Amino acid sequence: DAGVIQSPRHEVTEMGQEVTLRCKPISGHNSLFWYRQTMMRGLELLIYFNNNVPIDDSGMPEDRFSAKMPNASFSTLKIQPSEPRDSAVYFCASSPHETQYFGPGTRLLVL
Amino acid sequence: TQLLEQSPQFLSIQEGENLTVYCNSSSVFSSLQWYRQEPGEGPVLLVTVVTGGEVKKLKRLTFQFGDARKDSSLHITAAQPGDTGLYLCAGPSTGTASKLTFGTGTRLQVTL
Repeated sequence: DAGVIQSPRHEVTEMGQEVTLRCKPISGHNSLFWYRQTMMRGLELLIYFNNNVPIDDSGMPEDRFSAKMPNASFSTLKIQPSEPRDSAVYFCASSPHETQYFGPGTRLLVL
Repeated sequence: TQLLEQSPQFLSIQEGENLTVYCNSSSVFSSLQWYRQEPGEGPVLLVTVVTGGEVKKLKRLTFQFGDARKDSSLHITAAQPGDTGLYLCAGPSTGTASKLTFGTGTRLQVTL
C-alpha cells in the first residue's frame, strides 16, 4: 500500500504566481481532506470531500484558494495568486471512516 | 464549536524521564484519537479510545479517556529520543464521523 501521495514535496515560488498542489488518496477511501500547518496556527482544515463532493470548505482562507476532486484517485489545491503569508506545509489526508491517513505534505515557500 | 486544548505546548526532557500530555475539552466526544507527527512527516495515528474511563497501552505509551469523555491523557514512561515529535489529539466533529477536530498539539523533544 503506497499510502497518500502528495506532490511536489517542496515548492518555492514568487508572490503572485499560481501554485498547484496534488494529492492521490489511498484507494478505497471515500473522504479526502486538505490541511494547512504553521507554527502559529497549528493544523487547520481547509476543505474536505466525501465521495468526490466538497462537503465543507469553510476553512478555505479566501477566494485565492480553490480545490477540486475530479475523481476518486486525484485532488488538487490551487492558490492563485500566491502570497508570502500562504507559506506553510500543506497536508492531504484520506479516510475510510474516522481514522485519517496523512500524506508527507508539501512545504510551500512564497517569496 | 468543539475545541481541544492540549498542555503543555512544549516539553523538553531527557531520555529516561516520564511525562504526561493532556487533551481537554468542554465538549463530549464519542471517541478521541492520538496522532504523532515526526519532523518532516504527516501525523500518524497511535490509538483510538472509545469508552469513558478506557485505558490503552502501546508499549511505553499509556492512553486514558476521561470518564465523561471530555478529556484524555497520554503518559510516556522512560522517554526515548525516538519519541520526539508533535503529539496531537483529535475527535470526530459533531454530525460527521469523518471530519476531525484536532487539538493544539504538544511538541515533545527528548534528548540524550
